[in-house]
Amino acid sequence: VQVVASGGGLVQPGGSLRLSCVASGFTFSRYDMHWVRQATGKGLEWVSAIGTAGDTYYSASVKGRFTISREDAKNSFYLQMNSLRAGDTAVYYCARDAYGGKGHDYWGQGAQVTVSS
Amino acid sequence: EIVLTQSPATLSLSPGERATLSCRASQSISTYLVWYQQNPGQSPRLLMYDASKRATGIPDRFSGSGSGTDFTLTISSLEPEDFVVYYCQQRANWPLTFGGGTKVEIK
Repeated sequence: VQVVASGGGLVQPGGSLRLSCVASGFTFSRYDMHWVRQATGKGLEWVSAIGTAGDTYYSASVKGRFTISREDAKNSFYLQMNSLRAGDTAVYYCARDAYGGKGHDYWGQGAQVTVSS
Repeated sequence: EIVLTQSPATLSLSPGERATLSCRASQSISTYLVWYQQNPGQSPRLLMYDASKRATGIPDRFSGSGSGTDFTLTISSLEPEDFVVYYCQQRANWPLTFGGGTKVEIK
């Protein structure tokens, strides 16, 4: 089982960025998938989730600015981030959710997103 | 949203000692609580789910307890690799939330 995040980088405040996460080693379409972020030296912050039926969920801090989506045919899911702020600077982890919502059992290595002018 | 408060922020203990970490929820979450462990510079690892069930491959020196609003992660005898950071996460309501973390450091 592997999940690999990509698409991070440096973006100016107000800009946009799209993160991707590619999964392998399991039947991707059967699992809920999540994004979690962590600013340098800080704790974990849950960001967003997408269910197997395409249902989506967001934290209050990103709702209305970020959009999560999935493409089962490509074993991939995405996080479109718009109207980025300095406070969005963090490592963004993609993670698989275990069946029955029993926690994030596989995590990617993380993608660094830096919002700065 | 449900707020999780972890205490203490830092726990200073010696190898072989027992560690007791607390996670308190702002409202009842039944047993929908998960614990993670994070080594510096690495992705988190799932430790416990449903408050008291160990994830695959987790040694039995780790145990969890609690329900409602008060939860505990116990490490019965600290090994050198256990001196890292631990987070709780509630799975009862959207949005999911994490606690602020507890760092277990060598005394």
